[in-house]
Amino acid sequence: EAGVTQFPSHSVIEKGQTVTLRCDPISGHDNLYWYRRVMGKEIKFLLHFVKESKQDESGMPNNRFLAERTGGTYSTLKVQPAELEDSGVYFCASSLHNEQFFGPGTRLTVL
Amino acid sequence: GEDVEQSLFLSVREGDSSVINCTYTDSSSTYLYWYKQEPGAGLQLLTYIFSNMDMKQDQRLTVLLNKKDKHLSLRIADTQTGDSAIYFCAESMSDFGNEKLTFGTGTRLTIIP
Repeated sequence: EAGVTQFPSHSVIEKGQTVTLRCDPISGHDNLYWYRRVMGKEIKFLLHFVKESKQDESGMPNNRFLAERTGGTYSTLKVQPAELEDSGVYFCASSLHNEQFFGPGTRLTVL
Repeated sequence: GEDVEQSLFLSVREGDSSVINCTYTDSSSTYLYWYKQEPGAGLQLLTYIFSNMDMKQDQRLTVLLNKKDKHLSLRIADTQTGDSAIYFCAESMSDFGNEKLTFGTGTRLTIIP
């Protein structure tokens, strides 16, 4: 069974540009989470989908971040316009009932 | 508010025991977890403990929970080179899969040959 996959693995963009990160959860997992780790700091929760609905988006930093999960399968996280402080590793996780399975993350660098 | 703290670095000689510590502030935490991240990989759940337990052992791993002091530790016996990774402590207030995780900063474990 394939695990959680994320694309791209790395992204380098300039301040002001737009970037879209994608997460494909494990097939059949209703719960999908986005987290972010800024260099050297803790991993912080961004938001939680249950199927296509946003269950909890209390961790989204501001309105430059937009997450979608159309059809309740894969999810995208768009940052527009990107700022320097958005640099970090963005993790996606999915779960059915129990353990959250994490993807390898997307490393975003904003120059 | 929720806060989870860990030391950033730990170096241990191969064959010795590693002890990674974590403190948390939220007394309503229900589950406490240890995740491992190897280079280029995602987070892998190593073990977890329910808040009404004091200890959990799984092969080389021992988790100790002091709920009064809000202190969690992970002991790795007979540390091997393959144990080199970043170890994250995390907490949640609900069951797996239905609640966000609050993580610490992670402890980078380095094995000295």
